[in-house]
Amino acid sequence: GQNIDQPTEMTATEGAIVQINCTYQTSGFNGLFWYQQHAGEAPTFLSYNVLDGLEEKGRFSSFLSRSKGYSYLLLKELQMKDSASYLCAVRDREASGGSYIPTFGRGTSLIVHP
Amino acid sequence: KAGVTQTPRYLIKTRGQQVTLSCSPISGHRSVSWYQQTPGQGLQFLFEYFSETQRNKGNFPGRFSGRQFSNSRSEMNVSTLELGDSALYLCASRPGTSGGFQETQYFGPGTRLLVL
Repeated sequence: GQNIDQPTEMTATEGAIVQINCTYQTSGFNGLFWYQQHAGEAPTFLSYNVLDGLEEKGRFSSFLSRSKGYSYLLLKELQMKDSASYLCAVRDREASGGSYIPTFGRGTSLIVHP
Repeated sequence: KAGVTQTPRYLIKTRGQQVTLSCSPISGHRSVSWYQQTPGQGLQFLFEYFSETQRNKGNFPGRFSGRQFSNSRSEMNVSTLELGDSALYLCASRPGTSGGFQETQYFGPGTRLLVL
């Protein structure tokens, strides 16, 4: 099984930088995803990490340390539209039937204020 | 390319009734997964279908079932609805090749179900 922890809520100021942490415990590891979900909408893919290190994609970066069971999502130059829930999801080793099922954390609600 | 579509978008039912939700994946995607999202439990995996076969199942009672058609469209059914089944039901699709190791799931807009 898996256990994924991320803060429930964070607040930040427009233009600032915020780091959202995610820790996980898993019997096997096959990748970590970050999704963004605006209220009332579907989650949208942000990033995928399977090897240690930092993946940068525009204003968003994601970091992974497999030995520590730790990841973070870094959002730079925050904009009001970044106010959303950020979901960390870990994909365990192969489940039955030859597939990989991600387990989602409960999400971090980020509030960006002027 | 059109995204994942789900119908209906909103639904109100009463306890004891049953409901069927529909999902059309992105063209060419053969894997469809269903999730339940609630404020208390977050996003929880229900089941995954690939090539008309259920490939994995989450920890939900037998009242929750699904199927997939030859065109990869999928339906999920919940029988004998309970108040606690009120949730956003999300469908996600991915190509389904290579066991999904490198694949990203793309979510539909969801069906919001309210059970009274």
